Parts: sequence; structure tokens; C-alpha cells
Amino acid sequence: AQTVTQSQPEMSVQEAETVTLSCTYDTSESDYYLFWYKQPPSRQMILVIRQEAYKQQNATENRFSVNFQKAAKSFSLKISDSQLGDAAMYFCAYRRGDNDMRFGAGTRLTVKP
Amino acid sequence: NAGVTQTPKFQVLKTGQSMTLQCAQDMNHEYMSWYRQDPGMGLRLIHYSVGAGITDQGEVPNGYNVSRSTTEDFPLRLLSAAPSQTSVYFCASSRLGGQTNQPQHFGDGTRLSIL
Repeated sequence: AQTVTQSQPEMSVQEAETVTLSCTYDTSESDYYLFWYKQPPSRQMILVIRQEAYKQQNATENRFSVNFQKAAKSFSLKISDSQLGDAAMYFCAYRRGDNDMRFGAGTRLTVKP
Repeated sequence: NAGVTQTPKFQVLKTGQSMTLQCAQDMNHEYMSWYRQDPGMGLRLIHYSVGAGITDQGEVPNGYNVSRSTTEDFPLRLLSAAPSQTSVYFCASSRLGGQTNQPQHFGDGTRLSIL
């Protein structure tokens, strides 16, 4: 079964600085999709960024970018120019085809003013 | 555009009671799923469905039933509530068929406490 590991239960960053959240996954498949979701205190699950495994180019969405290392099965999220509103739980997720999405345990990000 | 709607938002049950968590989506998504979220464990899949009349088990299906009589609705039933089922429950939906780079759309969650 596919597993997703987030090794950092908590991270902290100063406002306007950059932070990187780590994610590794285990799979024997070559075609799959990876996602980062943000969960603020409101509990909503908000998509931050997605990456198709067949694409070599790393995805970017404004201040959010990923470092996708397929051979290493690594999918880290970089948040640049951190803002107070970025404080949340961040979940890494893996999905293959029409199957279910597997989530990591999450990283709680604190942004210090 | 309502997206994924879950009801109720909060519920307290006594051990042994049964109840149904409702989930409805208005995006004509084929795929729907239920997750539970527990501290330190992320989201774990309970059951999922790839279309009306089709359901399957996820990681943690014991104690829960689902049915999918329509594309829009995917209720989750707790047969005999146990304290171990105290959790936050999320319903999600997405497209199928070559479009699974599409993310799942989540409801706002149901916080369920079993006493």
C-alpha cells in the first residue's frame, strides 16, 4: 500500500521568510499525482498545489512551489515570503489513477510576526 | 456553487446509538469518499464510491456503512457508535476517468463525539 510520510510534525517561520515542508512517499507506480493541502483552524481543506508525476517541471502557484524528486520519492513544499495567513496544518497527499487519496499525518506551520 | 455540503457540523452521541452523516455534492462528480481525521494521523479513508450503486472499503471501514443511490449523495452510517469513532469526518468528491489530477473537493467536516 502507498504511504505518505511527513517527518516534521511542527515547523515555524518568521513572517516574510521562506520555509520548506518535507514529504516522502512510497509507491511502485510510475504514474500518479501529488498534492499539498492546507487546513486552517476553520478546518476547511484547501488545495495549495498539485504535481503530475509524469511532469519533470516543478509546479508553482504564486508564493508556493514544490521540489519534486521522483527517483527519491520526495515532494517538498516551499512557501516564500511567508504571511500570517499561511499558518495552518499542511497535508501532503498521493493519488494514483481513480484510486483513493492517501494523506500524510500533517505538519503544523506557525508564522511568527 | 455549493460544492460539497456536509450535515450536521457537530454531533454528540451516546455509545451504541446509530446515526447518519449526510454528504451532498452539486458538481456531478463520480467519485465520492469519506475520511476521518484524528490528531497526529492525518486523514484516513473510510469508504469511497466511483459512481451510483458502487462502493468500496478504504483503510478503516469497520463500524461504518455507506450507500450511493444517486450521484449527488453519499451518506455515512455509524451502526453502533463507539468512543473510538470520536473524530472529525470529511466528505470529498472529484472527477474520474483520466482527470484524477483534479483534486478532491472537501466538505467543511463534521465533528462527532461519542460519549
